[in-house]
Amino acid sequence: SQTIHQWPATLVQPVGSPLSLECTVEGTSNPNLYWYRQAAGRGLQLLFYSVGIGQISSEVPQNLSASRPQDRQFILSSKKLLLSDSGFYLCAWSGRARETQYFGPGTRLLVL
Amino acid sequence: SQKIEQNSEALNIQEGKTATLTCNYTNYSPAYLQWYRQDPGRGPVFLLLIRENEKEKRKERLKVTFDTTLKQSLFHITASQPADSATYLCALDMMDSNYQLIWGAGTKLIIKP
Repeated sequence: SQTIHQWPATLVQPVGSPLSLECTVEGTSNPNLYWYRQAAGRGLQLLFYSVGIGQISSEVPQNLSASRPQDRQFILSSKKLLLSDSGFYLCAWSGRARETQYFGPGTRLLVL
Repeated sequence: SQKIEQNSEALNIQEGKTATLTCNYTNYSPAYLQWYRQDPGRGPVFLLLIRENEKEKRKERLKVTFDTTLKQSLFHITASQPADSATYLCALDMMDSNYQLIWGAGTKLIIKP
């Protein structure tokens, strides 16, 4: 069966520090991968999606970047965090049919 | 652009009753619509998917309807239990070249024993 991992579960970082969140998927190949951010009481905002290694599409201009160095690995990064980067970050994958997305446990990021 | 509206107020339902949640969209109908459950501090979990040519879908105590005339989907939980308490999100896929699902903000459901 397929499994998606995210780490860390929670993170407290000072403003201006770098960020690296990692997501890995097991049990499937060639997945579509997604990074979302969710503000409290709000819907999911798509940040990045990837349909293959090295292929990244960005949905919103922001302080963040993403990379996909391997088929089942998706990394969210920032060189300098802003207060507004605080939130709940979710990684998800879907098959090529795109019908259902499967989410990781999420990372709670607090920038102080 | 396409927008989704879910009731932002929490829905309080007595245990054993049927809970009905609403998802309204504004523009042209999606290829399909999905419902997810999200518990506090966790990622959403897929529940049901309904296509534009389907009127109704069932899974155990769950039922989803899709009315393209009203531009609305209803999500029903029959014989509700306190364990059904969670936030329920709907999401639309327009099946265009953009891989983005359009997400509602979710409705918090509280089942009282």
